[in-house]
This record gives sequence, C-alpha cells and structure tokens, in this order.
Amino acid sequence: GQNIDQPTEMTATEGAIVQINCTYQTSGFNGLFWYQQHAGEAPTFLSYNVLDGLEEKGRFSSFLSRSKGYSYLLLKELQMKDSASYLCAVFSGTYKYIFGTGTRLKVLA
Amino acid sequence: DARVTQTPRDKVTEMGQEVTMRCQPILGHNTVFWYRQTMMQGLELLAYFRNRAPLDDSGMPKDRFSAEMPDATLATLKIQPSEPRDSAVYFCASGLVRNEQFFGPGTRLTVL
Repeated sequence: GQNIDQPTEMTATEGAIVQINCTYQTSGFNGLFWYQQHAGEAPTFLSYNVLDGLEEKGRFSSFLSRSKGYSYLLLKELQMKDSASYLCAVFSGTYKYIFGTGTRLKVLA
Repeated sequence: DARVTQTPRDKVTEMGQEVTMRCQPILGHNTVFWYRQTMMQGLELLAYFRNRAPLDDSGMPKDRFSAEMPDATLATLKIQPSEPRDSAVYFCASGLVRNEQFFGPGTRLTVL
C-alpha cells in the first residue's frame, strides 16, 4: 500500500530550530511537497523536492533522500506564528497526491 | 491576486438532504482536486481532474458522492443523500501537473 508517516505533535521554543520528519512508501515517486496549515485555514505551499538534497527558502529548508524514502522540514529561528500543522505530501508514480496526517507544531514563548 | 474560491463557506443541513459545493479554480490551472479533512483522517483525496477529465475518484464513496467539471471555471462536489459522517471540511485545490496545489478556503459541512 501507499503510506506516509509523520509525528503527530511536536513542541519547540521560540527562537529554536525544529526538524519535522516524514517517511513514505509509495508506488513510484514524482516529488515531495510540504504544506503549512494554520488552525481553521487552508493548507499553503512551503516547499517542493524532487531530487536528493536540501532546498533552502529563508527560515525554512526541506531535505529529501529518495533511496531512504525520507524527507524533513527544518524550521529555524522559530516564531509564534509558526505554530501550525505541517503536511508532507508525495506525488506518486501513479500520479496521485498522497498526504500524511500532518504534524501539529506548538511554539512556546 | 489569483485564488481558488469555494461556496458556500459553511453549510448546515439535515441528514438525507442533497448538498452541492462549488469551486472556481485559478484561471490557467489544469488540475483540480477535491479533499475532505477531519481530525481523525487528515486530508483525504476524493477526486482529481486533469484538463476537466476525471483521473481518480477512488477515494470517493460512489453511492452518494459525485464530482464534475462542467467547464474550466467550475468544479462541483455533490452529496446525495448526506449523512452525519459526511461532516467535515471540504477543500478544493487547483494547480499545474507536478507543481504545488493552491487550496481554496474550504466548505465546513455539518450534517445533523
């Protein structure tokens, strides 16, 4: 079957760095996306990885290892507004988008 | 500022009633998705259109749900008859193949 795993919840302190992991097992692979979703709002796009390595975008970076079926989202200099759910999604070889259940991040002052 | 729009934003209905949700994708996008989100299940793909043709609706309960794209500016998701277990937030998203999806604000459906 096709499966994406993420931790359910994480807590971190303002100003710190947090890493949210995602492991996947899918029928083929055509890219991995990270989305941010604040409570009561729609998901918004954060990053896209299709090749191995690190993609950096300001305070957010995303890493991919296709051989390990593994990605992480790294958030630096955490701010209170980063408290949200972070969704990992894979665009599989059968051209399906599969979402993980999301990681709820709580940033404490 | 192009964005996906959805109507209605909130819908409360009684069990057995028909519910129709509408979505206007971003002009120029060739893929449209319908998702359902609940606390327990997360984001579930219900239907996926590319160039208005349905590509995948395997996640949709076919006996009561139907999804259509009568034209490039309108996608609809219909539930008939609705049941309490259909209560959820329904998101429409659009995009280009292999690119990120842009989500609409969602329709919060409550079936009593």
